[in-house]
Amino acid sequence: DQQVKQNSPSLSVQEGRISILNCDYTNSMFDYFLWYKKYPAEGPTFLISISSIKDKNEDGRFTVFLNKSAKHLSLHIVPSQPGDSAVYFCAASDGGTASKLTFGTGTRLQVTL
Amino acid sequence: GAGVSQTPSNKVTEKGKYVELRCDPISGHTALYWYRQSLGQGPEFLIYFQGTGAADDSGLPNDRFFAVRPEGSVSTLKIQRTERGDSAVYLCASSPRLADTGELFFGEGSRLTVL
Repeated sequence: DQQVKQNSPSLSVQEGRISILNCDYTNSMFDYFLWYKKYPAEGPTFLISISSIKDKNEDGRFTVFLNKSAKHLSLHIVPSQPGDSAVYFCAASDGGTASKLTFGTGTRLQVTL
Repeated sequence: GAGVSQTPSNKVTEKGKYVELRCDPISGHTALYWYRQSLGQGPEFLIYFQGTGAADDSGLPNDRFFAVRPEGSVSTLKIQRTERGDSAVYLCASSPRLADTGELFFGEGSRLTVL
């Protein structure tokens, strides 16, 4: 039972445009959501997070939006850069901490010149 | 280096053998986590430690898997009687304390292949 779903395995975006990565979840107990970025042969690196008491969190070019009623979150990258090409994982936890994360299957983003 | 260090980076073993994977967390980090990533999947939680004790081991798939952290620093994940289905990248992460912001610092992983 996949509790965190990333239905798009891959996404290609031109440099300078907006990248939108989507994530859906089924467990209503999830109250903390995160995005991680992973380059080949490296471990995932934390990108941005959002608590369920918010609907938006912004950090530079990265913004995460949370729609609790739809159990949906999205990551917006504006403007996209070639260095953003990586696999992006959505993750969620309950209890308001990030100690035990449930990850999605990832979306591979390719930013083209 | 200053990051999470995992050894070996690659391990090939035969079905039925015993395997140990080691994780050296960032100095001073009290919380340590093990995740497993199978091909085409996201990381899957196995266990985390706060200090020397396993705070939550609910993700360990069965009793062939065991992890220790005897001195509150280095951790070893032990897999007995390995099976082909154990083949995956085993990721270790650490954080200064039980994570409250999501910033787990992951190592590069140990790729285990069971033939």
